[in-house]
Amino acid sequence: QSALTQPPSASGSPGQSVTISCTGTSSDVGGYNYVSWYQQHPGKAPKLLIYEVNKRPSGVPDRFSGSKSGNTASLTVSGLQAEDETDYYCGSYGGTNNPYVFGTGTKVTVL
Amino acid sequence: EVQLLESGGGLVQPGGSLRLSCAASGFTFSTYAMSWVRQAPGKGLDWVSSISAGGRSTYYADSVKGRFTVSTDKSKNTLYLQMNNLRDEDTAVYYCAIPTVAGTGRLDYWGQGALVTVSS
Repeated sequence: QSALTQPPSASGSPGQSVTISCTGTSSDVGGYNYVSWYQQHPGKAPKLLIYEVNKRPSGVPDRFSGSKSGNTASLTVSGLQAEDETDYYCGSYGGTNNPYVFGTGTKVTVL
Repeated sequence: EVQLLESGGGLVQPGGSLRLSCAASGFTFSTYAMSWVRQAPGKGLDWVSSISAGGRSTYYADSVKGRFTVSTDKSKNTLYLQMNNLRDEDTAVYYCAIPTVAGTGRLDYWGQGALVTVSS
């Protein structure tokens, strides 16, 4: 039940794009097309941004997009806005006995 | 509107017990799997436990297996987490969360969290 690996930080200027990676194993990220991404503002509960690698729940702007290649998934935030400055976590299904495997988290800074 | 409201958090000594509750509304309770996820201060998200829709199957992270018990009360639309033999490292905000589709690694709705502090 090891955590997925994310870079601790990422940054970009307003209007630019930033991409966050999420590396797992063939038992989680690589084994299923069930990667999710969450946004968490300080003191708040996580919010689902992406599910099943690249799908967005209703209400999530299309500035947020996801992809996957092998054991690594990625979240891209395009057209960075000040409100995007916060923490992001990836998650993956890891099987029946390990249904939620989370990433180590990435703090995004808007320069 | 789906709402999840945790309660029961607080300060407890190492070795002590605590029961968290998560009152659910806005959806048909018995048809959704439910989970507990925790977050230690300044740290990342950590899955704790899940219970299947209807409560027949339960699942636990290795770190809490044998100490924590997840259950539901359909008559009260409430999810519980009984935590026994608590350790310092169990200190965290505990969230209840549900997926709209089970078995897909997604958690669509989250409560506001309940803080559990284990300290002497």
